[in-house]
Amino acid sequence: GAVVSQHPSRVICKSGTSVKIECRSLDFQATTMFWYRQFPKKSLMLMATSNEGSKATYEQGVEKDKFLINHASLTLSTLTVTSAHPEDSSFYICSASHRDPDTQYFGPGTRLTVL
Amino acid sequence: DAKTTQPPSMDCAEGRAANLPCNHSTISGNEYVYWYRQIHSQGPQYIIHGLKNNETNEMASLIITEDRKSSTLILPHATLRDTAVYYCIVRSQGAQKLVFGQGTRLTINP
Repeated sequence: GAVVSQHPSRVICKSGTSVKIECRSLDFQATTMFWYRQFPKKSLMLMATSNEGSKATYEQGVEKDKFLINHASLTLSTLTVTSAHPEDSSFYICSASHRDPDTQYFGPGTRLTVL
Repeated sequence: DAKTTQPPSMDCAEGRAANLPCNHSTISGNEYVYWYRQIHSQGPQYIIHGLKNNETNEMASLIITEDRKSSTLILPHATLRDTAVYYCIVRSQGAQKLVFGQGTRLTINP
């Protein structure tokens, strides 16, 4: 149980385009989902916390107009990187809270490359 | 959240027990110790968590010192697939965030 999926697993796009990443909880309802970013050889950095049906809470330094987060249902959250630039190239990982709110389960990640 | 300190890297022979230490000297009474691991190019995987008692599950054991200022994650019979970065995280009950440090890069050698 507690499986989280992400789609796509890899994406390459041109600078200036927008990219949408989906995060789904497959076998449980997730009231809270989280989005992280990880640069090569670095640790995970929390970008935002998303509660179903409400606006996401962004961490300091994360542009909410650039990284649009939607959490429209208990099993789906989306992250849209708008007007992507090469510096946005990174590994984006989502996680979801199970019925035990203190345990997060992570998706496999999405590797974004902006040319 | 309280800060944790872990060695940047460790090696362990396949089949032996891997003991990963973590210092969390500023931990508060309501803060839990969580362990996650991240295999290369994958999302983190939950391993175990505890408050003050030792915990064991099918993946690992967690030993927390009596003063709760440090803990050890034990993988009883390490395999090559246990090679990963292991993160020790301290988090308050009910707090939503997980704050990842640099973790310990564990390499299991054949």
